[in-house]
Amino acid sequence: ELVLTQSPGTLSLSPGERATLSCRASQTVKHDWVAWYQQKPGQAPRLLIYGASSRATGTPDRFSGSWSGTDFTLTISRLEPEDFAVYYCQQSGSLPKTFGQGTKVEIK
Amino acid sequence: EVQLVESGGGLVQPGGSLRLSCAASGLTFSSSWMSWVRQAPGKGLEWVAMISQDGSGRDYVDSVKGRFTISRDNARNSLYLQMNSLRVEDTAMFYCATDTYGAFHNWGQGTLVTVSS
Repeated sequence: ELVLTQSPGTLSLSPGERATLSCRASQTVKHDWVAWYQQKPGQAPRLLIYGASSRATGTPDRFSGSWSGTDFTLTISRLEPEDFAVYYCQQSGSLPKTFGQGTKVEIK
Repeated sequence: EVQLVESGGGLVQPGGSLRLSCAASGLTFSSSWMSWVRQAPGKGLEWVAMISQDGSGRDYVDSVKGRFTISRDNARNSLYLQMNSLRVEDTAMFYCATDTYGAFHNWGQGTLVTVSS
């Protein structure tokens, strides 16, 4: 099973700051098969990024995705109040599809 | 607008069965791969099962193989998850989602399954 390890577990930042979330795969995964989701309390997850760097419909351009080898990164350029949430990476390059354990972005 | 509405969750005893449904609208359902994803209370997301557009292709996470069956009815724009031999550790919110090139683009609001005696 391909394991995705997200870091840090919690990121404490202020509105307006830059957030950098990491996701490391335990083995090679083609970037086309990596996605990022945002989940707020009591809500279903929402797709933000697919194919490692393509923004989903409705995703603000302050969100961006990148990768290098087995390391994937979600960057939020300037945090807005509505961005404080939990973020998950996910891969579909090999079965079973797997998610990272999540990174919580909280208000400092 | 794509809408996915899950139903069928509830309280069931260990060893029992439940059938979840997901009604889809606003999309060409018969052209969509679909998946079920679950989330145990206070925990992260776990992919459970997926099914191809015509139902001929299916796959499951190991922990549910032999107990859960994913199916669909394209005439009714509906997705199903038959869950048998339920265990306490299956307690979770279950979401249906469209599965497009490996990413879950659209999600329902979820249906809660609680397995407890």
